[in-house]
Amino acid sequence: EIVMTQSPATLSVSPGERATLSCRASQSVSSNLAWYQQKPGQAPRLLIYGASTRATGIPARFSGSGSGTDFTLTISSLQSEDFAVYYCQQYNNWPLWTFGQGTKVEIK
Amino acid sequence: EVQLVESGGGLVQPGESLRLSCAASGFTFSSYWMTWVRQAPGKGLEWVANIKQDGSEKYYVDSVKGRFTISRDNAKNSLYLQMNSLRAEDTAVYYCARVDGRAGVGWGQGTLVTVSS
Repeated sequence: EIVMTQSPATLSVSPGERATLSCRASQSVSSNLAWYQQKPGQAPRLLIYGASTRATGIPARFSGSGSGTDFTLTISSLQSEDFAVYYCQQYNNWPLWTFGQGTKVEIK
Repeated sequence: EVQLVESGGGLVQPGESLRLSCAASGFTFSSYWMTWVRQAPGKGLEWVANIKQDGSEKYYVDSVKGRFTISRDNAKNSLYLQMNSLRAEDTAVYYCARVDGRAGVGWGQGTLVTVSS
């Protein structure tokens, strides 16, 4: 089983600042990694797939990088609507999925 | 526009059964893998099951194998999750989602399942 570990658990950031979220896989997942955003009371929304490709309609301030076991989601300039929980998910083991435990981005 | 609407959640006692449904519209349902993902109260996302376009392949997380069954009816544009022998730890919001490029692209709003005596 591939275990996905996200850090930090909570990230306090001021609006307009950069946020950097990390995700580590227990074994290589190549570039088969997605990032999701979830706001309270809402369903998850796909942000990034293939480790670095933005999904349709996702603003350019969201970017993903990494391959193998270490991945990063960067939000270049946090907007008020970006405060949410972010999950990474591997699909290298397709058709099995594994999610990370999430990183909450909160207002500093 | 992709629309997915879950239904069938509710309060059940441990050991009982429940069947969730997910009605799909806005896309060619029979062309996509579909998935169920759950989220326990205050917790993270947990993948539950995936099903191939024609229903010929089904995959489950270990914790639900032998108890849950994913199925679909392409003629009705519907996805299902039959949940038997429910446990307290199955309490969660259950989401269905369309799989595109092996990631979850369109998600429903979820249906809450509560297992409690």
